[in-house]
Amino acid sequence: EAQVTQNPRYLITVTGKKLTVTCSQNMNHEYMSWYRQDPGLGLRQIYYSMNVEVTDKGDVPEGYKVSRKEKRNFPLILESPSPNQTSLYFCASSVQGKNTEAFFGQGTRLTVV
Amino acid sequence: GENVEQHPSTLSVQEGDSAVIKCTYSDSASNYFPWYKQELGKGPQLIIDIRSNVGEKKDQRIAVTLNKTAKHFSLHITETQPEDSAVYFCAASIPGGFKTIFGAGTRLFVKA
Repeated sequence: EAQVTQNPRYLITVTGKKLTVTCSQNMNHEYMSWYRQDPGLGLRQIYYSMNVEVTDKGDVPEGYKVSRKEKRNFPLILESPSPNQTSLYFCASSVQGKNTEAFFGQGTRLTVV
Repeated sequence: GENVEQHPSTLSVQEGDSAVIKCTYSDSASNYFPWYKQELGKGPQLIIDIRSNVGEKKDQRIAVTLNKTAKHFSLHITETQPEDSAVYFCAASIPGGFKTIFGAGTRLFVKA
C-alpha cells in the first residue's frame, strides 16, 4: 500500500530537549515536505526536499532542521523545542518537478511544555 | 510571495444542500490549484485539482472552478452527505511545484 508513515503520532516533551520526528514514504517520490498545522493558519511549509541531499526552507523554518540522506526518509529535527512549536505536524511526498498530488502522513501532534 | 485566502472558515449546511468554498490567490504565476479534505485524526487527502489552462473540472458531486483573471477559485459540493463533514483546504503552487501555499481551511458541517 502506498503511504507516508510518520512517527510518533503523539509526543509530549519539555522545552529544550532535542527530538526527531521520522517520516518515510514507499512511493519512490523525489519530493518531500514538512508542514505544521495551527488553528486559523492552515498548513504552513517548514522545509522541503527536492531529492537526496537537496533541501530548502519553506515559510516557517526557524527552530527546525531536516536531512535527506535517503530517498524514502525525511526526518524533522527540533534541536531545542520551545512551547511555540506545539503544533500538529505533517509530512508529505509527491512526484518532483510537477504539480501533482501530495500524499500526507497521519500527522504528529507535538506538545512542548 | 504567494498568499491564499479561504472563506468561509466554518460552513454548516443541511444534508442534500450544496456547499461552496471560495479561495483567492495573489501570485498570477500560480498554475496548479488542489483541494484537500482532512477528516478528523487524519492527514489531508486530495479530492480534486485544477490547472490554469482549465476553467472548470467536475468529479461526481464535486466541482472546482477557476477564474484566472480574478485570481479566484472555488469548490462546489452538491447533494452534501454527513460523510462530507471535514476540514477542506485550498492551495496554490507555482510552476515547478516546490512551494505550495495553503488556505487557512474551512470546517464543513453537514447536518443530517
